[in-house]
Parts: sequence; C-alpha cells; structure tokens
Amino acid sequence: EIVLTQSPGTLSLSPGEKATLSCRASQTVMNSNLAWYQHKPGQAPILLIYGASSRATGIPDRFSGSGSGTDFTLTIRRLETEDFAVYYCQQYDSSPLTFGGGTKVQIK
Amino acid sequence: QVQLVQSGAEVKKPGASVKVSCKTSGYTFIAYYMHWVRQAPGQGLEWMGWIDPNTGGTNSAQKFQGRVTLTWDTSITTGYLDVTGLRSDDTAVYYCAMSGKFLLALRDWGQGSLVTVSS
Repeated sequence: EIVLTQSPGTLSLSPGEKATLSCRASQTVMNSNLAWYQHKPGQAPILLIYGASSRATGIPDRFSGSGSGTDFTLTIRRLETEDFAVYYCQQYDSSPLTFGGGTKVQIK
Repeated sequence: QVQLVQSGAEVKKPGASVKVSCKTSGYTFIAYYMHWVRQAPGQGLEWMGWIDPNTGGTNSAQKFQGRVTLTWDTSITTGYLDVTGLRSDDTAVYYCAMSGKFLLALRDWGQGSLVTVSS
C-alpha cells in the first residue's frame, strides 16, 4: 500500500500568512491521483483539491495544489480565520486508498 | 441537490455488531461509488472500502476483510456498513462518502456516525 507522510504535523501561523503543507508518498502516485481535504472538529471533511491541482467546486482560489510523482503540496495563499483546521492528503491511485496523518494548521 | 444522511450514534459492547446507514439523494448511481471512512478519537482518517450501488460489487481494505460488510438497498437508495466482532479500538466516527467511478476523490460526505464500543 502507498504510505503518505504529511509534514509538518502542526503549523502555527497568523491570519493573512501563507501556509505550505507537504505530502510525500512511499511510491509514485500515478496520474496525480491525489486529493486534499479540510477537516474541522465535529464536521465532515471537505474535498479541496483533486487530481493534485484541481480545485473542487466552491473552493476559494486561495487554496492551490501542486506536485506529481511522490511529492505534493497544498498552499493556502492568505490564511483566513475559517482555514484553521486539519488537512489530509489522500491517494486514490491504488487500493487500499490511503490518507496521510494530517497537518494541523493552528492560530499562532 | 446531493445529500448523505447517516444514522445516529450507537453504543455497543465488545463482540457485538453494528450497522450504520447512509441515506442518499440526488445521485445517479450508475456513476458513483459509496465509500466508508472512519476516524478514531485523536487519530486520522482511515479508508475502509467502497461499494458500487449499481452492481453491488465491493472493494475493502484488507484489515477489515472478514469483519466488515458493505451493502446497498436500491429501493431506498441507502448504503450500509456492518461491522462484526466489535473491539474497543473500533470506537470511531464512521463516515460515508461518494466518489465518481473514475475519479475516486471523496466529493460528498455524510455527517458521521459515532460508534462507541465499551463494556
């Protein structure tokens, strides 16, 4: 199975700052079959990015994804208060589908 | 408008079984898979498996095979997750989610169902 390692585990930033989250795969994720989700306590996760770089419907353009192969990045251009949450990457290239361990973006 | 509505919280004893439901609306089922994902307290997301509502075919993670059954009732457009032989480490919020068949990103999610396993 493809193991996804996210870094850092926690990111402490202020509103307005830029967040850069990393997701590294243990083997090549073909066809950029990688997604990013935002998850807040008590709520369902929300799909942000699919295909490594395509924004899901209704997602603001301050969220962007990049990368291919084994290295992927989620960038939040200017953090807003509602962006403080846990972010997960997920590969859907091969079964079992797997998630990274998550990056918590918290207010500094 | 698409919607996924899950059943309520459950408390079960070790060794028991639980069945979680996920009522859907607004989907054309020939084009989607229903997935199940869980999150244990303080842990990350864990994919359990998917079912094809059109064919009933399933694909599940090896760690759950033999203990987890995914089913679908076409008459009421509802998916079910059955977990048998519950253990304390099955305590988690269980989510259903929908993806396309060729793009397996989890586009829509249910609100989650808390299952607590405790003696």
